[in-house]
Amino acid sequence: KAGVTQTPRYLIKTRGQQVTLSCSPISGHRSVSWYQQTPGQGLQFLFEYFSETQRNKGNFPGRFSGRQFSNSRSEMNVSTLELGDSALYLCASSAITDRVGYTFGSGTRLTVV
Amino acid sequence: SQQGEEDPQALSIQEGENATMNCSYKTSINNLQWYRQNSGRGLVHLILIRSNEREKHSGRLRVTLDTSKKSSSLLITASRAADTASYFCATSGNQFYFGTGTSLTVIP
Repeated sequence: KAGVTQTPRYLIKTRGQQVTLSCSPISGHRSVSWYQQTPGQGLQFLFEYFSETQRNKGNFPGRFSGRQFSNSRSEMNVSTLELGDSALYLCASSAITDRVGYTFGSGTRLTVV
Repeated sequence: SQQGEEDPQALSIQEGENATMNCSYKTSINNLQWYRQNSGRGLVHLILIRSNEREKHSGRLRVTLDTSKKSSSLLITASRAADTASYFCATSGNQFYFGTGTSLTVIP
């Protein structure tokens, strides 16, 4: 079966712009989580969605938002981009919500210039 | 703050040797998982150990968990060049946190 698909794979944006990243989970998976990975901060938890509801949110400013659709696909949006938002954004899906055995996508590499 | 901290940050060994990575965490957990990440790619789930388990094996991987010390170790036996990657522990309690990772280099 298809894995977790993240689009786009690479993205270059200018400071002040906004960006939307997409994640399609494995078919049947209803839990989707987002992480930001940077060399300095490692993997930081952004949000977790289950059945279109945000279940948990990490310690990120309000510029970072997300949502999940009825087909479990998820999007995250970052508004007013800053240079420090440059990172690899990873999406992970799971069939259930006890955070067992996440499957990760290959990520979206965002560069803010 | 992050839940897990891996030690060492970087490890370089010869092919065939064993590699041991340690993870310490701060609060109570439901389970602890180890993931592997090849450069610039997504993470791959390796093994999960539940809080009531002390040791688990999967192929060349051996994971131990000591909840009294809030620590876990990942042992990769008979390492191969293809094991070169970053390894992360992740703890699951009220939220899901990743450690800082150990960068493993296996020299052929």
